[in-house]
Amino acid sequence: QQPVQSPQAVILREGEDAVINCSSSKALYSVHWYRQKHGEAPVFLMILLKGGEQKGHEKISASFNEKKQQSSLYLTASQLSYSGTYFCGTEGEYGNKLVFGAGTILRVKS
Amino acid sequence: GAVVSQHPSRVICKSGTSVKIECRSLDFQATTMFWYRQFPKQSLMLMATSNEGSKATYEQGVEKDKFLINHASLTLSTLTVTSAHPEDSSFYICSARPQGYEQYFGPGTRLTVT
Repeated sequence: QQPVQSPQAVILREGEDAVINCSSSKALYSVHWYRQKHGEAPVFLMILLKGGEQKGHEKISASFNEKKQQSSLYLTASQLSYSGTYFCGTEGEYGNKLVFGAGTILRVKS
Repeated sequence: GAVVSQHPSRVICKSGTSVKIECRSLDFQATTMFWYRQFPKQSLMLMATSNEGSKATYEQGVEKDKFLINHASLTLSTLTVTSAHPEDSSFYICSARPQGYEQYFGPGTRLTVT
């Protein structure tokens, strides 16, 4: 079952922050975050595992609330290079395949 | 991160012909690879899971006779679109999980059927 992402789109100015949410109606084992630029393949950002720690590097971090089956991606002090479509991919407890959300379009303006 | 390659990056074919897309893991062995299809401005839809040495597992609604998958070695999986039609035009992307956790995508193949 496809996870639900919100918002569908967001426009920021350089330096502003953004939060992208991903929620599932079923128990999750892991949540994966990707960024895709137009015409290119998705690029892996990070993975959050059940029972694991909040992840992050530099200005992009993510959390995973296992009880609510929700994950959030935090983008701080956004840069022009952050523009793209962000997808979350979720994996259930008994599967090894990812199901992706509809995506969140992020546009950072100068 | 792990490197996954695809070939060709773009292909144009005539309706009714078949097209083969190759997916290779360059620096690791992959017993399992995944094939996705993405239409413009849409999400990634899993088509099938490719298993080395055995039959692929197709998602509901994906025609296995139309989208032939072969995973002949630990570094190569192929997707053949048989008797392609314009509605098969799409962005096809393969991926693999070298350690079982992170999943890495190939660069994708843009198929246009005329």
